[in-house]
Amino acid sequence: EVQLVESGGGLVQPGGSLRLSCATSGFTFSSYWMSWVRQAPGKGLEWVATIKPDGSEKYYVDSVKGRFTISRDNAKNSLSLQMNSLRAEDTSVYYCASYSGYDFDYWGQGTLVTVSS
Amino acid sequence: QTVVTQEPSFSVSPGETVTLTCGLNSGSVSTTYYPSWYQQTPGQAPRTLIFSTNTRSSGVPDRFSGSILGNKAALTITGAQADDESDYYCVLYMGSGIWVFGGGTKLTVL
Repeated sequence: EVQLVESGGGLVQPGGSLRLSCATSGFTFSSYWMSWVRQAPGKGLEWVATIKPDGSEKYYVDSVKGRFTISRDNAKNSLSLQMNSLRAEDTSVYYCASYSGYDFDYWGQGTLVTVSS
Repeated sequence: QTVVTQEPSFSVSPGETVTLTCGLNSGSVSTTYYPSWYQQTPGQAPRTLIFSTNTRSSGVPDRFSGSILGNKAALTITGAQADDESDYYCVLYMGSGIWVFGGGTKLTVL
């Protein structure tokens, strides 16, 4: 059974940092592109970042470039998102998702990040 | 800035057919954007309905279909059922590792 389990969310002050993690199992993690997708409360989905299977290339939505860093550890089947200089508009549920080459096929249940003073 | 457009809301009666669309603020949606459609119910993660324009994901009922209609991607639900009441999102691949989701359509079945 495929499982993606996010952790690391919480309340952080504006300008602060947070590191999200996604533990995966049940599929060949090292073969998959992996992504983070977020959803602000009551709002739609927003693609945030994607990393290639070998970690050689990373892609970001413009609004997080220079602040967020996606990374992976293929030995541990885990994905991370380091978030710095957080803003109120970064408040969202953050989902970890695998990309099959055709679609975001497996998703975690998400972890809530709240940026507020 | 690329904006993917969707109807904010749609209402359909049980048994009727509804078509949701996915467009671009500038230009036309084509198969080269590999449009995908996701269904999301409150408190749940999204699940794939359609990928690569018109390929149904495993386990998705055949009342869901995808296509290109004019200059937009389209999701058609033929014979809507009560449990189709959900939020529906399209996403387009813009190239260079970039995806853009539409704002979503809230579908009401009543």
